[in-house]
Amino acid sequence: DAKTTQPNSMESNEEEPVHLPCNHSTISGTDYIHWYRQLPSQGPEYVIHGLTSNVNNRMASLAIAEDRKSSTLILHRATLRDAAVYYCILGGNAGNMLTFGGGTRLMVKP
Amino acid sequence: NAGVMQNPRHLVRRRGQEARLRCSPMKGHSHVYWYRQLPEEGLKFMVYLQKENIIDESGMPKERFSAEFPKEGPSILRIQQVVRGDSAAYFCASSPQWGSNQPQHFGDGTRLSIL
Repeated sequence: DAKTTQPNSMESNEEEPVHLPCNHSTISGTDYIHWYRQLPSQGPEYVIHGLTSNVNNRMASLAIAEDRKSSTLILHRATLRDAAVYYCILGGNAGNMLTFGGGTRLMVKP
Repeated sequence: NAGVMQNPRHLVRRRGQEARLRCSPMKGHSHVYWYRQLPEEGLKFMVYLQKENIIDESGMPKERFSAEFPKEGPSILRIQQVVRGDSAAYFCASSPQWGSNQPQHFGDGTRLSIL
C-alpha cells in the first residue's frame, strides 16, 4: 500500500495561512489524496480530496504537485478551532478503507 | 441534517461482559465502516459493511468481535467477553457509494472502558 509522510507537528499563529505538507512518493495513478482532521475528543472530519488538479472548498485548499508525489493542505486563515491532528490519506488501494498514519498535530497560537 | 449518530457515547463494561455499539449512518448512506482508536494510537480500520453484507472484515479481530448492518436499523459492532485491551474509542463512518473518491463521514465515537 502506498504510504504518506507528514511532519509530526506544526505551529501557526491565529489568522495566518497554514501549509501542511504530505509526501506520497509511491502513489499510484488511481489513488485519490484525502485529508481528514480530528479535533480533540471528536471523530475524524473530512476536509478535502483530489486526484490531479488543485481543489478548493469552504474549509481549505489542496495543492497537488504535478508529479503527484506530494501535496499541501492550505488553511487560508487559521483559527483556534483549527487546532487538530491532520491526516493525509491515499484512497484507492484495498477497497474503501482509510489507512490513518500519525498525522500532523497543528497547534494554533492566539 | 443529521450526521452519523453513534450511541452510547460512553460505555463501561466489566471483563467478560458483552458490549454493543450502535451506528446510524447519514440519511441516504448505505455503506458503513468501523474504526478503532486505542489510547495514544492512530485509527485502525476494522470492518466495512453494506446493507446486510460484510464487504471487508480484514481489520477485525478473529475472535469475540462481530458486526452487522441489517436491512432495517443501525449497524451494530458487538464485542463478546470483553477484556481490558478492548478499551478504546470506536468510530463509525458512512458514505453514500462505493469508491475510493468517496468521503467518509464520521460519528463522534463510542468510548468503551473495561473495568
